[in-house]
Amino acid sequence: NAGVTQTPKFRILKIGQSMTLQCAQDMNHNYMYWYRQDPGMGLKLIYYSVGAGITDKGEVPNGYNVSRSTTEDFPLRLELAAPSQTSVYFCASSYGGRSEKLFFGSGTQLSVL
Amino acid sequence: AQSVTQLDSQVPVFEEAPVELRCNYSSSVSVYLFWYVQYPNQGLQLLLKYLSGSTLVKGINGFEAEFNKSQTSFHLRKPSVHISDTAEYFCAVTIITGNTPLVFGKGTRLSVIA
Repeated sequence: NAGVTQTPKFRILKIGQSMTLQCAQDMNHNYMYWYRQDPGMGLKLIYYSVGAGITDKGEVPNGYNVSRSTTEDFPLRLELAAPSQTSVYFCASSYGGRSEKLFFGSGTQLSVL
Repeated sequence: AQSVTQLDSQVPVFEEAPVELRCNYSSSVSVYLFWYVQYPNQGLQLLLKYLSGSTLVKGINGFEAEFNKSQTSFHLRKPSVHISDTAEYFCAVTIITGNTPLVFGKGTRLSVIA
């Protein structure tokens, strides 16, 4: 049981490049989330999904896109990377809604130079 | 909309001393409250949560928190800390109705000194 798996762990992008952060969970969780963590700022929600085919914006969605074609996978797409997107990105999942425990991946550290 | 404030960004404490990490929330409706811990270079893990019932909640690793509705607080406590408790701690809140995801505080870095 791997839990929540994120790839890659580290990535350096040039301004204007695009990339996809991968997130997969093997716990059959309905809810999945993408957060970004900046020093001293806590976690900010980018996008979330309550099930396959359903996604919704969080607090900071600009510059990102997501899709949820399967229960297991929830990739995060960065189009036209900007220095402001330098951050640590965490994917999380939960079986149910807001009262449920979140399971986090180990994170992707992204630098945009 | 709900919000959460962690009153201390850093808390240094000597090993075997007690510690309290403070969290206040703001919401006009009933809430669920959580504490998560993040060890270096790892994702977050749930320490404990308050949904309803007893206001004193016990979690993993000897931590506990008390929900105080009148003071809108959910402070985290441990009577005796260990070096291994050095980590960042996040308080989080969500309302119990609707579809609003968790809102996290900015975190408190606990440093346990030998």
